[in-house]
Amino acid sequence: SQTIHQWPATLVQPVGSPLSLECTVEGTSNPNLYWYRQAAGRGLQLLFYSVGIGQISSEVPQNLSASRPQDRQFILSSKKLLLSDSGFYLCAWRIPQGNTGELFFGEGSRLTVL
Amino acid sequence: DAKTTQPPSMDCAEGRAANLPCNHSTISGNEYVYWYRQIHSQGPQYIIHGLKNNETNEMASLIITEDRKSSTLILPHATLRDTAVYYCIVLGGNTGKLIFGQGTTLQVKP
Repeated sequence: SQTIHQWPATLVQPVGSPLSLECTVEGTSNPNLYWYRQAAGRGLQLLFYSVGIGQISSEVPQNLSASRPQDRQFILSSKKLLLSDSGFYLCAWRIPQGNTGELFFGEGSRLTVL
Repeated sequence: DAKTTQPPSMDCAEGRAANLPCNHSTISGNEYVYWYRQIHSQGPQYIIHGLKNNETNEMASLIITEDRKSSTLILPHATLRDTAVYYCIVLGGNTGKLIFGQGTTLQVKP
């Protein structure tokens, strides 16, 4: 069966420090991978998505970046965190099957920037 | 990908049916309607999806209008545990890009 792992679950970082959130998927191949962010009391904002290794599409200009070094690994990074980067970060995967393909989410990483 | 419009909030009495509407007037013929819900501090959970026929599973029913421009998610007997934010999205193919709207916050009251 397929599983998705996301870590760390919680993180408290000072402004200006770097960030690395990691997501891995097991039990499937060639998934579409996604990073979403949810600020407190807000909806889900798509940050990045990837349809293959090394293929990253960015949705929102920001100081974050994403990389996909392996088929089932998706990393969210920042060189210098801002206060506004605080939020709940969710990784998700999907296998497009024709025109369908359910989206599966990880448990999320809660980032607080102080 | 088509955009969706949902009311920001709704209330429902416990034990009654909750009917959550979604407008997706720009949906194209090969796009499916998906519903997810998010309980506080958790990742979104899949509920149901459909193309043009009504669908039912153990969690909910999905009614899609004949012109496919809107749909309704029905929770037949809402419980307090159904209190959550419900998201309606449309997707199709391998465009990759999946945009969530603001969703509807459903409050089930005793």
